[in-house]
Amino acid sequence: EPEVTQTPSHQVTQMGQEVILRCVPISNHLYFYWYRQILGQKVEFLVSFYNNEISEKSEIFDDQFSVERPDGSNFTLKIRSTKLEDSAMYFCASNGQPNQPQHFGDGTRLSIL
Amino acid sequence: QKEVEQNSGPLSVPEGAIASLNCTYSDRGSQSFFWYRQYSGKSPELIMFIYSNGDKEDGRFTAQLNKASQYVSLLIRDSQPSDSATYLCAVNSEGGSYIPTFGRGTSLIVHP
Repeated sequence: EPEVTQTPSHQVTQMGQEVILRCVPISNHLYFYWYRQILGQKVEFLVSFYNNEISEKSEIFDDQFSVERPDGSNFTLKIRSTKLEDSAMYFCASNGQPNQPQHFGDGTRLSIL
Repeated sequence: QKEVEQNSGPLSVPEGAIASLNCTYSDRGSQSFFWYRQYSGKSPELIMFIYSNGDKEDGRFTAQLNKASQYVSLLIRDSQPSDSATYLCAVNSEGGSYIPTFGRGTSLIVHP
């Protein structure tokens, strides 16, 4: 069964550094998403992406964050000047139509020191 | 502000019993409803989705939707220790944003 893949599985970074989290959505999906889950808390929406542009973003997704689809398969989340509070699990998800269930990748655990 | 409420639990049931997980939502315009299972430290895994009022069954799982009362539930029959996880309810509202709002999840413990 096709799946969403994310790399790396764990990223440890010094505060103030930039990180890039990578995702390969399911190949025939058109809608891509990033979510964040701080330990013990709920899954929080960051941004959605369709047709090579952001379709929606949350209050969390400020100027520190950016997304890109650099080629036909990858979908990346960049976090500039990381802060301690950026430590969380980051999940990528995709679906074929916006009202369909989203399929999640295994996530990247981001630890900011 | 769209709210999705779940009892955090833990809900503890013996092996072989029926586990009943409930979720209420605030937005009457909600159209799509999803249940995800999340093991500790892992990603959400889709279990069920339901769009229409009534029951939808898939194996040991049944999703129940009541739009008038704004709740959706998940029944797990013949619960197994491997069902022990956090169950997340997610709700989509169409006609605008299709971004699902997630509840905090209910922790389920199935003891042998």
